[in-house]
Amino acid sequence: DTEVTQTPKHLVMGMTNKKSLKCEQHMGHRAMYWYKQKAKKPPELMFVYSYEKLSINESVPSRFSPECPNSSLLNLHLHALQPEDSALYLCASSHPRRGGLGANVLTFGAGSRLTVL
Amino acid sequence: KQEVTQIPAALSVPEGENLVLNCSFTDSAIYNLQWFRQDPGKGLTSLLLIQSSQREQTSGRLNASLDKSSGRSTLYIAASQPGDSATYLCAVRPNQAGTALIFGKGTTLSVSS
Repeated sequence: DTEVTQTPKHLVMGMTNKKSLKCEQHMGHRAMYWYKQKAKKPPELMFVYSYEKLSINESVPSRFSPECPNSSLLNLHLHALQPEDSALYLCASSHPRRGGLGANVLTFGAGSRLTVL
Repeated sequence: KQEVTQIPAALSVPEGENLVLNCSFTDSAIYNLQWFRQDPGKGLTSLLLIQSSQREQTSGRLNASLDKSSGRSTLYIAASQPGDSATYLCAVRPNQAGTALIFGKGTTLSVSS
């Protein structure tokens, strides 16, 4: 299995809703990432988990809450979002750099398209 | 702070042409550089990864080069096809621990038949 699977593909939510985005990989990667991408812009890093521990938080608002319950799963919990949070949310995984494993290629999922009304 | 620039922002070519996409970065202390392809509204597909110790990588009609000292990488696409139409993103991974990929804004390629 060489894929990163993201669900749902599309999500529409109101500003008072609570929802979650999910990401799964079975490649044995121990680093997982959340990126946010607005239209016609490059992806922007949000969070990095390394060995199931949060290693990077790029000053993301607390209405986004990441969770890494095990080495294969990464969640992004959403609460009280704003319309400007509408974007494509991309999950990626790789071997951690310090592990020296593999070539550190980041493998991305297809993304979850989020619309906040 | 590392910055990644891609030129041109958009490119239109007829089918069959060979073309070069450019990527430059301000800090040569990189761990690796990765080229991605993104179709509209879709995720990113990794095309090629070049480690900092390497000069180039090839996959099919694609060839990526890296000149770390000058802060440049190029993606060469041979015999372009309409199916190559997409946005191509260059991303560098800095040497510093605790950092992740830094992306350029991409080059949007359109190949006409």
